[in-house]
Amino acid sequence: DTAVSQTPKYLVTQMGNDKSIKCEQNLGHDTMYWYKQDSKKFLKIMFSYNNKELIINETVPNRFSPKSPDKAHLNLHINSLELGDSAVYFCASSHKGRTEKLFFGSGTQLSVL
Amino acid sequence: QKEVEQNSGPLSVPEGAIASLNCTYSDRGSQSFFWYRQYSGKSPELIMSIYSNGDKEDGRFTAQLNKASQYVSLLIRDSQPSDSATYLCASSFTNAGKSTFGDGTTLTVKP
Repeated sequence: DTAVSQTPKYLVTQMGNDKSIKCEQNLGHDTMYWYKQDSKKFLKIMFSYNNKELIINETVPNRFSPKSPDKAHLNLHINSLELGDSAVYFCASSHKGRTEKLFFGSGTQLSVL
Repeated sequence: QKEVEQNSGPLSVPEGAIASLNCTYSDRGSQSFFWYRQYSGKSPELIMSIYSNGDKEDGRFTAQLNKASQYVSLLIRDSQPSDSATYLCASSFTNAGKSTFGDGTTLTVKP
């Protein structure tokens, strides 16, 4: 069973469109995250949620809106997509607390044309 | 100054050699340090975590932490071609709600 699963794996879309990425974890973790990885492999935190509550919003444009219906799910909706949004988006989860060991989903490769 | 800096590489070592990957961090409050391995086209996978000064060994991997120097390293002994990947260093502090990553070092192990 996949521990952290996200869909879709690939997303190709036109500028200006709205798209969503879904994430689910079955590890029983309290905290879920969205990270963005650019073409140079740099991983940057976007959002983190603990038990459905937003705890980190790292100066992300408000075109990006996360939603956590329960602690096992964290979705990411992006409005009015721009060329610069093209990247790989990773969902991750961890136990809240000292370790912050992250378990990543397989990633969504977003290409905005 | 970046919060977490790594040698950008790429780093190339022959099979069987020791690969040494280095990382420095700027926030003295950082308490937890991690090494993730990322194969091309795949997601990062945690391979080592370290919280106290000194060495921590797990199989062929040794993580080293020196908080006074704000330095973390990863040694891979008896490197194998399957170790070829990008290695990401990350730091966090308790209940921060996030880990901060370096740019990664790409390692190639040549047969």
